[in-house]
Amino acid sequence: GIQVEQSPPDLILQEGANSTLRCNFSDSVNNLQWFHQNPWGQLINLFYIPSGTKQNGRLSATTVATERYSLLYISSSQTTDSGVYFCAPNPGGSQGNLIFGKGTKLSVKP
Amino acid sequence: EAGVAQSPRYKIIEKRQSVAFWCNPISGHATLYWYQQILGQGPKLLIQFQNNGVVDDSQLPKDRFSAERLKGVDSTLKIQPAKLEDSAVYLCASSFSGTVNTEAFFGQGTRLTVV
Repeated sequence: GIQVEQSPPDLILQEGANSTLRCNFSDSVNNLQWFHQNPWGQLINLFYIPSGTKQNGRLSATTVATERYSLLYISSSQTTDSGVYFCAPNPGGSQGNLIFGKGTKLSVKP
Repeated sequence: EAGVAQSPRYKIIEKRQSVAFWCNPISGHATLYWYQQILGQGPKLLIQFQNNGVVDDSQLPKDRFSAERLKGVDSTLKIQPAKLEDSAVYLCASSFSGTVNTEAFFGQGTRLTVV
């Protein structure tokens, strides 16, 4: 099955800094989602992005499906951005479901 | 629009006991997923339903886990008997479809501790 690798595994930032999280996947995908898992365990949808670039406030994401990677950009980070960020591609087909990476744990210090 | 509802939020049981989790997906969503998330890892799919039919249960430990989705809406996941390694967060998700418009939305999860 598809393999998902996220980097870096851990990231510590000072409030106000920018960061880039990377997701590599081993096979073609129909779509891809980015999630933020907050300290209470809730998975919050950030982007549904099979290809191209999307922006939502301080966050943006780019997926280059032909090269099998996606990037999540966080600008002007805030302490509330802390948590784990998951990339989850969906290989599609009749059994389309999300395959999760191990995540990037982000800590934003005040 | 109401999100995915799950209950209970927390459950502590002894090993060899049984437990059941309930999920109510977003209205109109035909596809429902159950994921298991062990501490420090990403969620792993246990079972996927399309309406009331099973699409993928290849990673469901069928000797102890069972799931059903009666009438293609609510779903129940059961563990019997529980083992220590079943301690995890059980997440339910739904999407409009399993093939097109597949954006999935997750509930808050049920945190299970087996002692």
